[in-house]
Amino acid sequence: SQTIHQWPATLVQPVGSPLSLECTVEGTSNPNLYWYRQAAGRGLQLLFYSVGIGQISSEVPQNLSASRPQDRQFILSSKKLLLSDSGFYLCAWSVSTGTFDQPQHFGDGTRLSIL
Amino acid sequence: GENVEQHPSTLSVQEGDSAVIKCTYSDSASNYFPWYKQELGKRPQLIIDIRSNVGEKKDQRIAVTLNKTAKHFSLHITETQPEDSAVYFCAASTALGGGSQGNLIFGKGTKLSVKP
Repeated sequence: SQTIHQWPATLVQPVGSPLSLECTVEGTSNPNLYWYRQAAGRGLQLLFYSVGIGQISSEVPQNLSASRPQDRQFILSSKKLLLSDSGFYLCAWSVSTGTFDQPQHFGDGTRLSIL
Repeated sequence: GENVEQHPSTLSVQEGDSAVIKCTYSDSASNYFPWYKQELGKRPQLIIDIRSNVGEKKDQRIAVTLNKTAKHFSLHITETQPEDSAVYFCAASTALGGGSQGNLIFGKGTKLSVKP
């Protein structure tokens, strides 16, 4: 069966510091991968998605970036964190069928606090 | 692009009552409608989904109905229990993606409280 791992679970970082969050998926090949951010008590904001290695699409302009160095690995990065980057970051995957009308399955998330 | 509106934003029911959450969408090409449940501090979990070639789908106490003409879909929870308390999100997608390729468009969520 497929599983998705995200780490770390929680992170406290000072303003201006770099960021690297990692997500890996097991049990499937060539998944679609997604990064979402959820502010406290709010909805899900799609940040990036990827349909293949090295293929990244950005949904919202910001100081974050994403990379997909391997088929089942998705990384969210920042060179300099802002206070507004605080939130709950969720990675998700879906089966790649050439269409996007497939369920997305979420990881356990990383709670990021910027001080 | 697609726009999904979800109502109500909060819903409080007594244990054993039914709960209904409604979503409307704007893109008539949308053909996939999942519902997610998110407990406090946890990840969203898919609880049920429906495709546009089906009008209703049931899974035990949970059902989803879809009206393609009116472009709305609803989540129905019967015989609610305290453990149903959570935030519920609806979403919509076309085969080519929601607002742009690759994404589900989510509603803003409904916080359901089931009082014992």
